[in-house]
Amino acid sequence: DQQVKQNSPSLSVQEGRISILNCDYTNSMFDYFLWYKKYPAEGPTFLISISSIKDKNEDGRFTVFLNKSAKHLSLHIVPSQPGDSAVYFCAASDYNNDMRFGAGTRLTVKP
Amino acid sequence: EAGVTQSPTHLIKTRGQQATLRCSPISGHTSVYWYQQALGLGLQFLLWYDEGEERNRGNFPPRFSGRQFPNYSSELNVNALELEDSALYLCASKTGGEGNQPQHFGDGTRLSIL
Repeated sequence: DQQVKQNSPSLSVQEGRISILNCDYTNSMFDYFLWYKKYPAEGPTFLISISSIKDKNEDGRFTVFLNKSAKHLSLHIVPSQPGDSAVYFCAASDYNNDMRFGAGTRLTVKP
Repeated sequence: EAGVTQSPTHLIKTRGQQATLRCSPISGHTSVYWYQQALGLGLQFLLWYDEGEERNRGNFPPRFSGRQFPNYSSELNVNALELEDSALYLCASKTGGEGNQPQHFGDGTRLSIL
């Protein structure tokens, strides 16, 4: 079941510009949302999260926006750096700690 | 602080065999999760253990099983291996109890079925 969807398999941006990664979900019971970054041959690394009582959370260059009515969240990276090139997974969980992941978006930041 | 550790890094088996994958959570974490990432796909939830009990399992056949030990480490067992079981198996841990906390992942075990 595709409860969390990342419709863009890949994204390419220029160094210094903004990267915007999108994620949609269908389960209205989800109340906690996360973004993970994954490099090849490594496990996913937690990046940033947001609970459903907020609509924005910021941590340095990374900002996550949540639109509950649209069941949509996005990750903004500003400015993008070549080291940000990785696969980004969106995840969502409900009160049962049942976490679902999107299929991932491969971000390439070009120097 | 040591992260989540998984062993072995790689495992090669043949069809019909049994595989055992191991995971040690971050110190202080009581919940352990297992995920399967097949080639080109996202992470599929397999199992969740907390305080030694299985709390939830994903849509996988019963030949996927596991357990959590008193020290909170965990094993994933896959019986009667099939070619389609070839995947990266990821373990994650988090603090137990209520409240939203992120899961922290190990680097995975690459299981290859010949």
